[in-house]
Amino acid sequence: ETAVFQTPNYHVTQVGNEVSFNCKQTLGHDTMYWYKQDSKKLLKIMFSYNNKQLIVNETVPRRFSPQSSDKAHLNLRIKSVEPEDSAVYLCASSSGGAGDTQYFGPGTRLLVL
Amino acid sequence: GDSVTQTEGLVTLTEGLPVMLNCTYQSTYSPFLFWYVQHLNEAPKLLLKSFTDNKRPEHQGFHATLHKSSSSFHLQKSSAQLSDSALYYCALSSNYNVLYFGSGTKLTVEP
Repeated sequence: ETAVFQTPNYHVTQVGNEVSFNCKQTLGHDTMYWYKQDSKKLLKIMFSYNNKQLIVNETVPRRFSPQSSDKAHLNLRIKSVEPEDSAVYLCASSSGGAGDTQYFGPGTRLLVL
Repeated sequence: GDSVTQTEGLVTLTEGLPVMLNCTYQSTYSPFLFWYVQHLNEAPKLLLKSFTDNKRPEHQGFHATLHKSSSSFHLQKSSAQLSDSALYYCALSSNYNVLYFGSGTKLTVEP
């Protein structure tokens, strides 16, 4: 099956802890993205990677750090979570060309207590 | 910078009536425009995207026309179905192909 896969589906943690989310795509795409969908359903770009290189960083707090081992994998680490980090984190991929369709994973829902 | 405006947060319609969801945008480039649909507890999926040759994209009965003069890409459908109930996002991509989303419109279609 070709798609975008994310783990875990859901994660509950406490303020100050570190969390990591994984994303893998089997679509053969060169570009991957992390988006944040907050409790009001606002969807915002966080990072974009092309072939393991960071391309876009949309003024995300420094406690967030993306990591890419190869063009099929893009993980997201949050060093010391804050309550406002509670959200759904969506991974996406595309061929990277202008106007190319982005394909989204099912998301990781993070709840910070 | 790039931005997208969706003026309706909630739209409730009766099945069979026409659908029109508004989308306007601002961009310093000539962006591509998209409509993504997100059903409950699912990932956003592409519904439509604009073409460079002014063709009107259509999918599942939905269509949208890119009007550069008014910076708009409104989504329309002639007859709403119950299964159309979902969250609809208008988005644009320009530099680096990242998507900038509007705030979303929740469409509810009632019997």
